[in-house]
Amino acid sequence: GAGVSQSPSNKVTEKGKDVELRCDPISGHTALYWYRQRLGQGLEFLIYFQGNSAPDKSGLPSDRFSAERTGESVSTLTIQRTQQEDSAVYLCASNQQGGMYEQYFGPGTRLTVT
Amino acid sequence: DAKTTQPPSMDCAEGRAANLPCNHSTISGNEYVYWYRQIHSQGPQYIIHGLKNNETNEMASLIITEDRKSSTLILPHATLRDTAVYYCIVRRTGANSKLTFGKGITLSVRP
Repeated sequence: GAGVSQSPSNKVTEKGKDVELRCDPISGHTALYWYRQRLGQGLEFLIYFQGNSAPDKSGLPSDRFSAERTGESVSTLTIQRTQQEDSAVYLCASNQQGGMYEQYFGPGTRLTVT
Repeated sequence: DAKTTQPPSMDCAEGRAANLPCNHSTISGNEYVYWYRQIHSQGPQYIIHGLKNNETNEMASLIITEDRKSSTLILPHATLRDTAVYYCIVRRTGANSKLTFGKGITLSVRP
């Protein structure tokens, strides 16, 4: 596709359930990032992928959060045993490798934990 | 990554130029200045970036001072659709070039 896509666009889940969020980056972009944005707040970095490996997971808030990437393409962010504080918009972004290339964002997945 | 400082908000009249300032006094030589904006309920949108020279594209112009300690994003003819939160970000050139977002500046364009 022309841009970064994410699915689902909205997800409502009950506290304690597991959720999976998907990101399809722009074709050929080797760098992929996940961010989180809580209501009324700025974006928080979660994890960075270079190809299929994740050299920087420093932003993952707890061991309930994990992510993987396959085929240097699609990435999945998994949140286990969701809590109400996990409610946020989860944004994925990708760019060609290196900080001189602009990073493009997807529309995000709005997660609501009830 | 170097931190940036932006005023919390500003407004401008539709059709006039909007000049959004940013201070990044601790920027290092291998860091770019990036600008993104976020319109309500959407993902951030890339606007422009630069290293040390002024840059212009179809959306905006970026003016970086000679000492690189501050910059200004210029929207030459603001429209109501430019109302958004604008983020000035300093970003490393290395492989892990995550973006560190601050609070940004809320630009309100009035009719």
